[in-house]
Amino acid sequence: AQTVTQSQPEMSVQEAETVTLSCTYDTSESDYYLFWYKQPPSRQMILVIRQEAYKQQNATENRFSVNFQKAAKSFSLKISDSQLGDAAMYFCAYRSAGRIQGAQKLVFGQGTRLTINP
Amino acid sequence: EAGVAQSPRYKIIEKRQSVAFWCNPISGHATLYWYQQILGQGPKLLIQFQNNGVVDDSQLPKDRFSAERLKGVDSTLKIQPAKLEDSAVYLCASSFLAGGTDTQYFGPGTRLTVL
Repeated sequence: AQTVTQSQPEMSVQEAETVTLSCTYDTSESDYYLFWYKQPPSRQMILVIRQEAYKQQNATENRFSVNFQKAAKSFSLKISDSQLGDAAMYFCAYRSAGRIQGAQKLVFGQGTRLTINP
Repeated sequence: EAGVAQSPRYKIIEKRQSVAFWCNPISGHATLYWYQQILGQGPKLLIQFQNNGVVDDSQLPKDRFSAERLKGVDSTLKIQPAKLEDSAVYLCASSFLAGGTDTQYFGPGTRLTVL
């Protein structure tokens, strides 16, 4: 079974600075997807960024980028120019690319709570 | 485009009582998921529907939890009887493709407290 580990329960960063959230995963599959989801307090979870394992190029979405190291099974999220609205729980998640029924569930890490200091 | 709707947003019950949660996915989405998120943890899949059929319910405690998606649109998750350890946020998500291989969109969740 796949597992996802986020070793940083909490992180904080000064507004306008850069912060990196860590995530490692364990899988025997070669084709899969990795995600970072953001969950603001009392608000719904939204997708921040997505990475296909077969792509060597790291995904970027505006101020958000990832460092995907497939051999090391590492998938970190970098937030540049941090803003107050970035404060939230961030979850790393894994999903198999297989089309077997039941393979599409997201497997989440424990989450990292990010605080932005003004 | 309307998002995933869930109700109620909050529910407090006593142990051994019953409770039901409702989810309406994004229009046209074939796949629907129910996740349980215990405080301090990441969400865990309880059940996945493809249209009105169950794809994966391997982590659903079937002695007390049940779920249905009768017409392939909205879904209900029930707990009967509730235990203290069922206190959690119950998240509903949906995705467009029947195989569930695309992005999952989440609802706001229902926060359940069992006393």
